[in-house]
Amino acid sequence: QVQLVQSGAEMKKPGSSVKVSCRASGGTFSTYTVSWVRQAPGQGPEWMGRIIPFLGMANYPQRFQGRVTITADKSPRTTTVYMDVSGLRSDDTAVYYCARERKGGSYYYGMDVWGQGTTVTVSS
Amino acid sequence: QSALTQPASVSGSPGQSITISCTGTSSDVGTYNYVSWYQHHPGKVPKLMIYEVTGRPSGVSNRFSGSKSGNTASLTISGLQAEDEADYYCSSYTSRSTVIFGGGTKLTVL
Repeated sequence: QVQLVQSGAEMKKPGSSVKVSCRASGGTFSTYTVSWVRQAPGQGPEWMGRIIPFLGMANYPQRFQGRVTITADKSPRTTTVYMDVSGLRSDDTAVYYCARERKGGSYYYGMDVWGQGTTVTVSS
Repeated sequence: QSALTQPASVSGSPGQSITISCTGTSSDVGTYNYVSWYQHHPGKVPKLMIYEVTGRPSGVSNRFSGSKSGNTASLTISGLQAEDEADYYCSSYTSRSTVIFGGGTKLTVL
């Protein structure tokens, strides 16, 4: 059973960037859709974008376009997906999760495997 | 695109059934049968409970069921148990090829 292992907690200054990684352990997710979801304290989850590593193409909601970049290793056994967030603000403080959907494809099949979460704190 | 609308809280006694609604628009819930529900216990990782409106992943109790009518999807939990107390979130595919979540519903088992 594949597990998703994320990089550790980050403390960042406003205006800086952060890059969070998500590594597949015990399997690969190259043909699955992998999303990034964040949850700020006291708020609901927010979808930040997704990628199918095999295809290498990502898509984002409008509010994050230009500020969020999702990439993946392009090796045949793709095991790591990355999310880069630039221009950090205090309201970007949240727990960031990567999550694998049940299958790859154009629609939305439900995220059945989640990383452990990475806390990103933005403060001056 | 605004978040899907869920009630902030619902409650029920052990053994009872409860239903959580999730209201979207014709650009998401109303058009696509790609609605998922997640259970989230504080401090833990979200867990997929329902996919594609009615699908139930292996290992999820059959006390959990999903449905949809028009722009509103629903999650029903029958035979409430103390362990069901958690936050529940719906999510849907949208016409912009994105995914949108609801604001969440806190379930209290009395």
